[in-house]
Amino acid sequence: EPEVTQTPSHQVTQMGQEVILRCVPISNHLYFYWYRQILGQKVEFLVSFYNNEISEKSEIFDDQFSVERPDGSNFTLKIRSTKLEDSAMYFCASSGAGGYNEQFFGPGTRLTVL
Amino acid sequence: GEDVEQSLFLSVREGDSSVINCTYTDSSSTYLYWYKQEPGAGLQLLTYIFSNMDMKQDQRLTVLLNKKDKHLSLRIADTQTGDSAIYFCAETTDNYGQNFVFGPGTRLSVLP
Repeated sequence: EPEVTQTPSHQVTQMGQEVILRCVPISNHLYFYWYRQILGQKVEFLVSFYNNEISEKSEIFDDQFSVERPDGSNFTLKIRSTKLEDSAMYFCASSGAGGYNEQFFGPGTRLTVL
Repeated sequence: GEDVEQSLFLSVREGDSSVINCTYTDSSSTYLYWYKQEPGAGLQLLTYIFSNMDMKQDQRLTVLLNKKDKHLSLRIADTQTGDSAIYFCAETTDNYGQNFVFGPGTRLSVLP
């Protein structure tokens, strides 16, 4: 069964460093998303991406964040200068063009900022 | 803005039914979902319901939607220890490419 994959599973970085979180969405999907979940808190929407551009973003997704689909398979989230409060689980999701908006989630990348 | 709320904890005995409740504020929600998150894992879609439906059954899972009260519930029949997880209710108001709004999750503990 097709699935969304994410790498790495755990990333540790120093405050102020740049990180890139990688996702491989399901191959025939058209919509891509990033969510984050701070430990013990709600899953929060960050950004959605369609047709090579951002279609929606939340207040969390400020200038420190960017997304890219550099080739036909990867979808990346870059955090330019990490802060302690960026420590969270980051989930990638993708959805196709079906009759309902089922988003398939990856297993997540745990980002720890020291 | 839109908000989704759930009770945070639920404990049941193995073999009993579990009922996890969710309320939402956005009356224009089109799809409502239940996701399961096991420790250290991602979000697994369990089931969804379209807003023009009242009920959906899928094996041990029954979803009830009261659109008037903006209340969604997930019933798990014959709950097993493997059902122990966090269950998230989520809603979206659009068909394509729009963000989900998640509830805080209900931690279900199944006692032997």
